[in-house]
Amino acid sequence: DADVTQTPRNRITKTGKRIMLECSQTKGHDRMYWYRQDPGLGLRLIYYSFDVKDINKGEISDGYSVSRQAQAKFSLSLESAIPNQTALYFCATSDFRGTGSSYEQYFGPGTRLTVT
Amino acid sequence: SQKIEQNSEALNIQEGKTATLTCNYTNYSPAYLQWYRQDPGRGPVFLLLIRENEKEKRKERLKVTFDTTLKQSLFHITASQPADSATYLCALDMKSGRRALTFGSGTRLQVQP
Repeated sequence: DADVTQTPRNRITKTGKRIMLECSQTKGHDRMYWYRQDPGLGLRLIYYSFDVKDINKGEISDGYSVSRQAQAKFSLSLESAIPNQTALYFCATSDFRGTGSSYEQYFGPGTRLTVT
Repeated sequence: SQKIEQNSEALNIQEGKTATLTCNYTNYSPAYLQWYRQDPGRGPVFLLLIRENEKEKRKERLKVTFDTTLKQSLFHITASQPADSATYLCALDMKSGRRALTFGSGTRLQVQP
């Protein structure tokens, strides 16, 4: 079974609709992240969470909100979807064993979201 | 302004040759630099991490260098194979602040048989 799962994998929605993307992980990691990827722009950080009570905005958080329901679950919501939120969305996790080190991130398979 | 630059043009090379990809950055002081591979429609996969005080890191056919004076990392794949064809992303990890990775936009590598 995959360590980081995302649902749904594909979603088409209309402008103004509320939509939630879900992420679950079985790696036991404290840190979770949401990114969006657009052609030519790379991965941009939307929100990240270092534990259940620690939620932080990334560089492009406007129009998005998140919920960390448990260590293993991190959801991304678009309160009122707009066409320029059409993108590929990735959830990722990383371990943390103390300051002074860097830890690789493990990515989910992605959710392709289209807002019409 | 802060910027991470990876060559947006695809790199085409012949099988067996060494591929060299570049990651340049400005106005960052990363403590670590990571490289990822991404196949179409899939999430990135971690390859290598190098620290600011390391000049070079190797893993099998992969080699990464990190020059904090030039603000540049080079990623090499030796004896390249068609299966190495993918997009390669560099990511910076800062010494302080938010401590979340900042990714470049990636370079697509195409290895011709």
